[in-house]
Amino acid sequence: NAGVTQTPKFQVLKTGQSMTLQCAQDMNHNSMYWYRQDPGMGLRLIYYSASEGTTDKGEVPNGYNVSRLNKREFSLRLESAAPSQTSVYFCASSGQPNTEAFFGQGTRLTVV
Amino acid sequence: GESVGLHLPTLSVQEGDNSIINCAYSNSASDYFIWYKQESGKGPQFIIDIRSNMDKRQGQRVTVLLNKTVKHLSLQIAATQPGDSAVYFCAENPGGSNYKLTFGKGTLLTVNP
Repeated sequence: NAGVTQTPKFQVLKTGQSMTLQCAQDMNHNSMYWYRQDPGMGLRLIYYSASEGTTDKGEVPNGYNVSRLNKREFSLRLESAAPSQTSVYFCASSGQPNTEAFFGQGTRLTVV
Repeated sequence: GESVGLHLPTLSVQEGDNSIINCAYSNSASDYFIWYKQESGKGPQFIIDIRSNMDKRQGQRVTVLLNKTVKHLSLQIAATQPGDSAVYFCAENPGGSNYKLTFGKGTLLTVNP
């Protein structure tokens, strides 16, 4: 049971490049999330998907798009990367509201 | 806006001592709280949770206390071990159909052997 799997683990982009971060969970969870974590700060919610077929903005959605491809997969896309998007990105999933979210190992993204 | 915060950014304890990590929250509508542990280079790992209809919940070596009167949450770790060294985050969910966990900034716990 792998839990939440993110790819890639590390990525360096040039300003203006685009990329998609992949996330998959094998726990049959309904809800999935994308967070970013910056030094000295807690995790901030970018987008979430309460259930398959729905997505909603979180606290810091600007510059990102998401796709809930199916129940297992939730991807995060940067259309035109900016240095301010240098961060560690975490995907998470949860089975029901008000239950714990399980996190992936993170993607460390650097935009130069 | 409302936020979750921590009183102490760092905490250093001796192995075997008990640790207490505190968290203040300001959203009175929050009805669910979680503590996460994050080791260096890893994703947050669930430790324990508590719902607003409870004041205390115990796990293995950990206890979470919730004081709704003063909007305060604490995590107690008994007999702290070197493996407990990590950053600890509290998170809250404002409840209802809202799925958005709001995280505090974290406390770095260092356990000295």
